[in-house]
Amino acid sequence: QSVLTQPPSVSGAPGHRVTISCTGSSSNIGATSGVHWYQLLPKTAPKLLIYGNSNRPSGVPDRFSGSKSGTSASLAITGLQAEDEADYYCQSYDISLSGWVFGGGTKLTVL
Amino acid sequence: QVQLVQSGAEVQKPGTSVKVSCKTSGFTFISYYMHWVRQAPGQGLEWMGIIDTSAGSTTYAPKFRGRVTMTRDTSTSTVYMELSGLRSDDTAVYYCARPLGTYYDFWGQGTLVTVSS
Repeated sequence: QSVLTQPPSVSGAPGHRVTISCTGSSSNIGATSGVHWYQLLPKTAPKLLIYGNSNRPSGVPDRFSGSKSGTSASLAITGLQAEDEADYYCQSYDISLSGWVFGGGTKLTVL
Repeated sequence: QVQLVQSGAEVQKPGTSVKVSCKTSGFTFISYYMHWVRQAPGQGLEWMGIIDTSAGSTTYAPKFRGRVTMTRDTSTSTVYMELSGLRSDDTAVYYCARPLGTYYDFWGQGTLVTVSS
């Protein structure tokens, strides 16, 4: 079982908005290290989407946004496009485990 | 530009070992730690451990201690991950990743390791 909890799947129609939740604890998301999000497409290297709860690296469209409240976080994707169909993972550092932890991943289907 | 280029796919028998390489370029190798992360079929990402590329010291996730060895070659800016005592549930895509603070800013393309008799 993953330390961080994500829904296995979400879906949305093109142009719509979806959110993906990530639930942790006070030793990871709730700690100062925050939460980060990655997009995994088949046969390609994972791509950083959001770091430090809500920051976008250069090149990531502003359709992607992140937020954090307490021990939970969310990734929002607006204006859904077919190319957004992928697996999304949240990640944090767990101070109790002294290790890096991931969510179980969420498969986004664009209907 | 930053590049992490991993070695090719491997097929190994149960009980044997596999060694995956990750050749880096585009940045000062010894200024960054490097991590290894894996993804088994149908499973999520799993952190395996970290190597200090300058000192060579390592920290492994408890699940892999005793079976994993991470090393580096500073002359070629390459990190290696060797996993021994392979089992069928070690079948996975193995990634190297460069950390920046508490997140990864660059990843390798992944190496599929298949464990099968």
